[in-house]
Amino acid sequence: EVQLVESGGVVVQPGGSLRLSCAASGFTFDDYTMHWVRQAPGKGLEWVSLISWDGGSTYYADSVKGRFTISRDNSKNSLYLQMNSLRTEDTALYYCAKDINPWSDILTGYQNWGQGTLVTVSS
Amino acid sequence: QSALTQPASVSGSPGQSITISCTGTSSDVGSYNLVSWYQQHPGKAPKLMIYEGSKRPSGVSNRFSGSKSGNTASLTISGLQAEDEADYYCCSYAGSSTFNVFGTGTKVTVL
Repeated sequence: EVQLVESGGVVVQPGGSLRLSCAASGFTFDDYTMHWVRQAPGKGLEWVSLISWDGGSTYYADSVKGRFTISRDNSKNSLYLQMNSLRTEDTALYYCAKDINPWSDILTGYQNWGQGTLVTVSS
Repeated sequence: QSALTQPASVSGSPGQSITISCTGTSSDVGSYNLVSWYQQHPGKAPKLMIYEGSKRPSGVSNRFSGSKSGNTASLTISGLQAEDEADYYCCSYAGSSTFNVFGTGTKVTVL
């Protein structure tokens, strides 16, 4: 059974930093591009970032470019999101998600999602 | 990149069919057959209902179907059931500079 378990969400002040983690199990982690998707309270879904299966390619939404860094450790089946210069508008539930198809940066569909980890940016 | 446009709400009676639209542009929905649809119940993670425009993952009811015409994708739910009451989001690949864009979301109410 595929499992994605996010952690690291806390309350942080504006301008602060945070690192989110996603522990993956139940599939061959290094076959899949992985994504972060967020959802502000009471709002819709927003794609944040993706990293290719080998970590060689990373892409970001304009709203986080230059502030967030996605990375992965395939030896630990783990995905990360380093979040710097946090803003109040970054407050959201952050999900890690896996595509239905392996070996592709082009999204087909998010077949698996974690339960999310809540990041609150507030003074 | 702007979000894809969905109606804020759609409602129907049990047994009826409803359709949710997802309007994008020639840079996203219109250019790729890579629209996916998600169902989200309150407090839960989204669930994939349709991928690549019209394909259903294993385990998803055949009451859910997807289609596309031009820059607009659609999700149709036939034989509406109480358990279908949820928020629905579309998502499209939008090219190698923007990557992925979600829709604004639609609340489905079963009357």
